[in-house]
Amino acid sequence: EIVLTQSPGTLSLSPGERATLSCRASQSVSGSYLAWYQQKPGQAPRLLIYGASSRATGIPDRFSGSGSGTDFTLTISRLEPEDFALYYCQQYGSSPPLTFGGGTKVEIK
Amino acid sequence: EVQLVESGGGLVQPGGSLRLSCAASGFTFSDYWMHWVRQAPGKGLVWVSRINSDGSSTSYADSVKGRFTISRDNAKNTLYLQVNSLRAEDTAVYYCARGKYDFPDWGQGTLVTVSS
Repeated sequence: EIVLTQSPGTLSLSPGERATLSCRASQSVSGSYLAWYQQKPGQAPRLLIYGASSRATGIPDRFSGSGSGTDFTLTISRLEPEDFALYYCQQYGSSPPLTFGGGTKVEIK
Repeated sequence: EVQLVESGGGLVQPGGSLRLSCAASGFTFSDYWMHWVRQAPGKGLVWVSRINSDGSSTSYADSVKGRFTISRDNAKNTLYLQVNSLRAEDTAVYYCARGKYDFPDWGQGTLVTVSS
């Protein structure tokens, strides 16, 4: 099973700042089959990025994904108030099972 | 508009069973793989199970293998999860999600609470 480790656990930033979230895999994720989700309290997750760097439908261009192999990054170029939330990475290159990272909370500083 | 609506959750004693359902609409259900993902209170997302589009292939997380069964009725546009031999650690919101390897669409979840 591929273990995904997200860092930092919590990111304290101000609106307008840049957020950089990391997701490290215990083994190479094949085909860059890595996705990122945003989750707000009481809501289902929302797909942001798939294939490591492709934005999902309707996702603003301030969200970008990069990386390959074992190291992946989600970048939010300028934080908007609605971006303060939990973020999860997920791999599906080695399936089953699919695995999620433990999450990064982006909170208002 | 894609809609996924889960139901069937509730309070159940340890060792008990439930059948969760996920009613799908707004897309051709029989064309898509479907998954169940759960989230314990205050915890992260955990993949549980998946089924391919015609129901001929299924997979499970090790933690639920032998206790949970995923199935689908393409005529009724409905996904199911039969959960048996429930344990306290199965307490979670259970989401159904559409997709093969990533999940652009999710339901709102149904809460399963295992407690005596």
